[in-house]
Amino acid sequence: EAGVAQSPRYKIIEKRQSVAFWCNPISGHATLYWYQQILGQGPKLLIQFQNNGVVDDSQLPKDRFSAERLKGVDSTLKIQPAKLEDSAVYLCASSPISGTSGRANEQFFGPGTRLTVL
Amino acid sequence: EDKVVQSPLSLVVHEGDTVTLNCSYEVTNFRSLLWYKQEKKAPTFLFMLTSSGIEKKSGRLSSILDKKELSSILNITATQTGDSAIYLCAGYYSNSGYALNFGKGTSLLVTP
Repeated sequence: EAGVAQSPRYKIIEKRQSVAFWCNPISGHATLYWYQQILGQGPKLLIQFQNNGVVDDSQLPKDRFSAERLKGVDSTLKIQPAKLEDSAVYLCASSPISGTSGRANEQFFGPGTRLTVL
Repeated sequence: EDKVVQSPLSLVVHEGDTVTLNCSYEVTNFRSLLWYKQEKKAPTFLFMLTSSGIEKKSGRLSSILDKKELSSILNITATQTGDSAIYLCAGYYSNSGYALNFGKGTSLLVTP
């Protein structure tokens, strides 16, 4: 079974530029998550989708961050304009069954995109 | 404010030592406590703990949840250099689905 795919793996941009990250979850997984992991910290949830609807975006800085999952499959996370403090690893995760607890809803993580803002 | 606190933040041990990592949580709509191991890539799942007092084991790793104290420990016995990693603790909570609230992690270095 193919895992969660993310691209690009690395990105270096200057502040005030725009950047987009792509995620393709495991086939059939209903729920997709984007996390931001700043060096030395644990991942922080940015946005959670169930199919193509947003479940939780309470920690997404909406003035500069946006995300979409138009067809309920792959997703794009965009930052416009980027700031120095956005330097982090952006992790995408997916889970098979939403609305249930236990291992049935285990999250599988992709390899992440490491963003450096200069 | 919900929070997950891990201690220590970093630890250096010799091969063969036993280590105990701690996690305390205050998470609204808490359902389970999860432990992940993160090497240079994405976090990989170790344990999910839902019931208090029941130890889960996988080889040299074991973990237990104390719901009264809102805490969990992860034990690693006979450590090996391959155990060097960041160990993340996360509270699994329900929103309209389920999501994870992570701690900062404990960075473990096992020296030969």
